[in-house]
Amino acid sequence: DQQVKQNSPSLSVQEGRISILNCDYTNSMFDYFLWYKKYPAEGPTFLISISSIKDKNEDGRFTVFLNKSAKHLSLHIVPSQPGDSAVYFCAAVDDKIIFGKGTRLHILP
Amino acid sequence: EAQVTQNPRYLITVTGKKLTVTCSQNMNHEYMSWYRQDPGLGLRQIYYSMNVEVTDKGDVPEGYKVSRKEKRNFPLILESPSPNQTSLYFCASSLTRTGNTEAFFGQGTRLTVV
Repeated sequence: DQQVKQNSPSLSVQEGRISILNCDYTNSMFDYFLWYKKYPAEGPTFLISISSIKDKNEDGRFTVFLNKSAKHLSLHIVPSQPGDSAVYFCAAVDDKIIFGKGTRLHILP
Repeated sequence: EAQVTQNPRYLITVTGKKLTVTCSQNMNHEYMSWYRQDPGLGLRQIYYSMNVEVTDKGDVPEGYKVSRKEKRNFPLILESPSPNQTSLYFCASSLTRTGNTEAFFGQGTRLTVV
């Protein structure tokens, strides 16, 4: 049973607009959530994280929102840039890191 | 430069021929792990290690072995590879296994078993 779900396999967004990537989880004991970005032929790289005691964390163009009651988090990228085209993995941490299946983001010119 | 190094990057082998994928990190991290990435399945953890001589199974350990004799190295061993182990493999390390600790990933090893 998937504990971390990314239900959108892909997403296309116009350059300059906001990209919103979504993630749902089932285990209320997760204490941290992370987003990773992956380009083809490279390993995933850490993007941003949020503690379960917070509801928002911002780093430049990237903001992660956490809604604990809905067991839902989202990553907002604004404005979206061509270099943001990649696969984004949501991950949750309890005693290990559990990854979602990823969402491929395409930024359209 | 902080990094996780995997070798080889690409490998084609035949069924049953033992192979080892090496992983080394230079950050003195305690926690290391192996993942495989398959289409539609995301990243699934194979094995992890919390410190030297301490290893444990992840979600998909069947057909794999690991060892952690030194802190910096965490090789992945396939004693008798099979075609269903054709995949993209990533090694990762982090300071600890929990909390807000960023995991650093290697560049990946694309394995094909024929």
